[in-house]
Amino acid sequence: GDSVTQMEGPVTLSEEAFLTINCTYTATGYPSLFWYVQYPGEGLQLLLKATKADDKGSNKGFEATYRKETTSFHLEKGSVQVSDSAVYFCALSDDYGQNFVFGPGTRLSVLP
Amino acid sequence: EADIYQTPRYLVIGTGKKITLECSQTMGHDKMYWYQQDPGMELHLIHYSYGVNSTEKGDLSSESTVSRIRTEHFPLTLESARPSHTSQYLCASSEGPWANYGYTFGSGTRLTVV
Repeated sequence: GDSVTQMEGPVTLSEEAFLTINCTYTATGYPSLFWYVQYPGEGLQLLLKATKADDKGSNKGFEATYRKETTSFHLEKGSVQVSDSAVYFCALSDDYGQNFVFGPGTRLSVLP
Repeated sequence: EADIYQTPRYLVIGTGKKITLECSQTMGHDKMYWYQQDPGMELHLIHYSYGVNSTEKGDLSSESTVSRIRTEHFPLTLESARPSHTSQYLCASSEGPWANYGYTFGSGTRLTVV
């Protein structure tokens, strides 16, 4: 079945450091890919998405590129802030839109 | 501002009590979902609905039940709460017939059963 794998956390960075959170997936066909963010005490918010190969999703300084050849959708940010401390979830939707799969989440802590 | 609302945000309740967690959305979405989030953060789908009078159980077995009498409302009920039900419960909805639009989540209900 479809699945999403993320790098294990927690990830701890200093403010202004470069961030990469790895995400790889297994799916048949052409899934859509998503990154969600969960701030402390809140629900999940859609951060960015990409619906086809080579698409780049971006939002709030975060970027991720849909790489079908490596089945990856890594999240990157050039300079993290303390306010980016949260849990990040990679997710996919199969191309029939019937199956939505979340990764296990990666906790990011940014220190001042 | 939230388009999907969950109440209460926090609930502490005694064992054996009946509880209903409320979820409402104002976006007219047909698909709605309930997830249980364990302390390790992982999300587990416990119920979903594709429209009025449609409800299905998710991947994780749950003693809770749901109903969908109105498009905007998707409450979750526990007939007899137990300490093992202590968790964060997240409600979500999605646009149109396809999940590739992504989900909109509520802020969650953190349930503690003592």
